[in-house]
Amino acid sequence: DTAVSQTPKYLVTQMGNDKSIKCEQNLGHDTMYWYKQDSKKFLKIMFSYNNKELIINETVPNRFSPKSPDKAHLNLHINSLELGDSAVYFCASSQDGRKGYEQYFGPGTRLTVT
Amino acid sequence: DAKTTQPPSMDCAEGRAANLPCNHSTISGNEYVYWYRQIHSQGPQYIIHGLKNNETNEMASLIITEDRKSSTLILPHATLRDTAVYYCIVRAKLYNTDKLIFGTGTRLQVFP
Repeated sequence: DTAVSQTPKYLVTQMGNDKSIKCEQNLGHDTMYWYKQDSKKFLKIMFSYNNKELIINETVPNRFSPKSPDKAHLNLHINSLELGDSAVYFCASSQDGRKGYEQYFGPGTRLTVT
Repeated sequence: DAKTTQPPSMDCAEGRAANLPCNHSTISGNEYVYWYRQIHSQGPQYIIHGLKNNETNEMASLIITEDRKSSTLILPHATLRDTAVYYCIVRAKLYNTDKLIFGTGTRLQVFP
């Protein structure tokens, strides 16, 4: 069984469109994260939610809006997509992000904006 | 910015031990050292973490120097499947929630 799953795995879209990426974890964890890995392979945190509450919000454009309907799901909605948004987006979860438990990552969603 | 320094790449023969060094000279007393790896095109995978004592699990061993300014991840018997980018991370706290700050890592190539 997949611990952290993301859909879709690949997403190709045009500039200006709005798209969403979904993430689900079946580990019973309280904390979920979104990371972005750019073309140079730098991996950087974007958001973190703990029990549906936004905990970390890095300097990310407000076109990116995370939503956590319950603690097992954290979706990422992106408005007005730009070329620079092309990247691999990873979702992750941990038992309790406030206590330094290890993070489990999903397989990633490769977003290509044309 | 990442608080760690790692060599950009290393090679290791299959079956031999892979020793991956990491410098973290500015580490604080309550910060842990974490190791993750990323196999090509996959999500990062947790390996091991430690505070000041050496640690061992089914994947690897972590050796932390007494002054805690550096550490070494040891894969005792490297296999081809261990080829990956290995990240040494000093755990940073922000708003009472840990934030992993990934550096550039070490690309380990295991060859037959």
